[in-house]
Amino acid sequence: SYELTQPPSVSVSPGQTATITCSGDHLGDKYGCWYQQKPGQSPVLVIYQDTERPSGIPERFSGTNSGNTATLTISGTQAMDEADYYCQVWDSSTAVFGGGTKLTVL
Amino acid sequence: VQLVESGGGLAQPGGSLRLSCAASGFTFDDHAMHWVRQPPGKGLEWVSSITWNSVTIDYADSVKGRFTISRDNAKNSLYLQMNRLNTEDTAFYFCVRDKSSSGYLRFDSWGLGTLVTVSS
Repeated sequence: SYELTQPPSVSVSPGQTATITCSGDHLGDKYGCWYQQKPGQSPVLVIYQDTERPSGIPERFSGTNSGNTATLTISGTQAMDEADYYCQVWDSSTAVFGGGTKLTVL
Repeated sequence: VQLVESGGGLAQPGGSLRLSCAASGFTFDDHAMHWVRQPPGKGLEWVSSITWNSVTIDYADSVKGRFTISRDNAKNSLYLQMNRLNTEDTAFYFCVRDKSSSGYLRFDSWGLGTLVTVSS
């Protein structure tokens, strides 16, 4: 079965750029999504189709996907961005999530 | 868009539960729907998906043969019948809308979730 690997945690200082990676075999051949989940809340879609932002998602969120790695970048990270982030792809009608990355803003 | 799950609670190993999801604020039969679960303190796991007309249904291997997804477009509702529950099924279960109707694209709206606890 297809697997996605994320670092368990990433730390960033306020105002700096946070980078969260997601790796999988030939991941660049699939469309990736990213979801943000704050404590006690439901996940929210922040990036779809590798690079697209849903309406209402700040411009500081961006994504790339090439080769075996998809990347979520948060520019000018704010305290409110502290959350768990999950990458996700579809593999033969099966949704696959990465294990999640806890982003700490300190 | 509003998705409200219900039906969670405590079940014994080997028991059954039926989850419901009431959808409002959008045209329900314009969208495929999904169930995604999350064990407390752990990551997200996809459970099952159904297209707008129920023609295509898919399940995670971990629930195949035990869980059944269904929908009633006239009632704007999504369901998950869970049988032969085991302790590994303990999780928050989210009802999730897809952007697409006839395929699977992305999870664009999520409910608040309902907690299923399987314990003796």
